[in-house]
Amino acid sequence: NAGVMQNPRHLVRRRGQEARLRCSPMKGHSHVYWYRQLPEEGLKFMVYLQKENIIDESGMPKERFSAEFPKEGPSILRIQQVVRGDSAAYFCASSITGTGGNAEAFFGQGTRLTVV
Amino acid sequence: RKEVEQDPGPFNVPEGATVAFNCTYSNSASQSFFWYRQDCRKEPKLLMSVYSSGNEDGRFTAQLNRASQYISLLIRDSKLSDSATYLCAITGGGNKLTFGTGTQLKVEL
Repeated sequence: NAGVMQNPRHLVRRRGQEARLRCSPMKGHSHVYWYRQLPEEGLKFMVYLQKENIIDESGMPKERFSAEFPKEGPSILRIQQVVRGDSAAYFCASSITGTGGNAEAFFGQGTRLTVV
Repeated sequence: RKEVEQDPGPFNVPEGATVAFNCTYSNSASQSFFWYRQDCRKEPKLLMSVYSSGNEDGRFTAQLNRASQYISLLIRDSKLSDSATYLCAITGGGNKLTFGTGTQLKVEL
């Protein structure tokens, strides 16, 4: 049973370009969470999705960031017109049910985005 | 007040020592509690869930104190390989998992 798969592992974008980060949850998991981690800082919640629905996007910046989790295929975190401040590690996690019910969330290896 | 707070450390301990970390939370409605371990530049890895009755996994023991709103992690007989950052994570209503900033542990010879 493969774990949470994220790709690419490393992504370099020039300022103004778009970044697309992909996350395939563990088999059987329908709950997906995205987190951002700046160097030397903690994990900041961005968005929580279930299949085809955004459940909680309270941590998403108001502009340029969007997320989806379609019926088929991986979850996508999209960052438009990237700026240097977007450089960070982006982690995806998945759980079989919501973590509020004590379900454990497992993380992918992350995508390290560098904006040059 | 932050939703979840941890002492950043670092905690420098000799091999074989017992070390304990606490993590306080502000939302009394919090339902689920976890400890994760994160090595430098790696993803967080689930260490254990934390239950009201407390739970133990080998050298690791986790406790929950709802009255004082904190969870703890005790590591006995520390190994060099335990050196990492330990993150507490709490669900405060709903399914949003909020992390503390982590406590850094360095186990030395």
